[in-house]
Amino acid sequence: DADVTQTPRNRITKTGKRIMLECSQTKGHDRMYWYRQDPGLGLRLIYYSFDVKDINKGEISDGYSVSRQAQAKFSLSLESAIPNQTALYFCATRGGTGADTEAFFGQGTRLTVV
Amino acid sequence: AQTVTQSQPEMSVQEAETVTLSCTYDTSESDYYLFWYKQPPSRQMILVIRQEAYKQQNATENRFSVNFQKAAKSFSLKISDSQLGDAAMYFCAYRSAEDSNYQLIWGAGTKLIIKP
Repeated sequence: DADVTQTPRNRITKTGKRIMLECSQTKGHDRMYWYRQDPGLGLRLIYYSFDVKDINKGEISDGYSVSRQAQAKFSLSLESAIPNQTALYFCATRGGTGADTEAFFGQGTRLTVV
Repeated sequence: AQTVTQSQPEMSVQEAETVTLSCTYDTSESDYYLFWYKQPPSRQMILVIRQEAYKQQNATENRFSVNFQKAAKSFSLKISDSQLGDAAMYFCAYRSAEDSNYQLIWGAGTKLIIKP
């Protein structure tokens, strides 16, 4: 089984719908992240969490919200999806406190808003 | 703010040959880490290699090595003896060692094509 699991893997939704992307990890890491990947832009940080009670906005948090239900679970919600939120979304985890520690990524959720 | 630039949207190389992917970055910090990640068609982001700014020696992982030029703010990835499995998107990323958030700043990526 993957260390970082994202569900669903692909999703098509309609404009205005609420949608939740889920992420769970078995690595025991405290730090979890949600990124968005767009062609030609690389990855951009949406939200990050250092533990269950610590959630922080990233570079592009508008239109998104998150919930850290447990150490192992970090969900991303789009309250009212719009077409420019069509993208590939990644969840990542990181253990340790050093800047050199590796980030582990899920396989991504491809979201299409029509 | 830090930025990472990958100026080659796409590169191609003949199987078994060597290819170099470019990455430049902009920062005023002295302590940081640089990473190369590989994203194959499976979409999984896989760490290829990392470099600490304070280490002058270039990092090497098997067929992958970097040319780290701190003064020039350049961090290129060299892939030797290219294999078909190396075909992927490659992303360069920067992380400050001075920011407690330790956020990764990403380049736009380079698509590597391996010709058989």
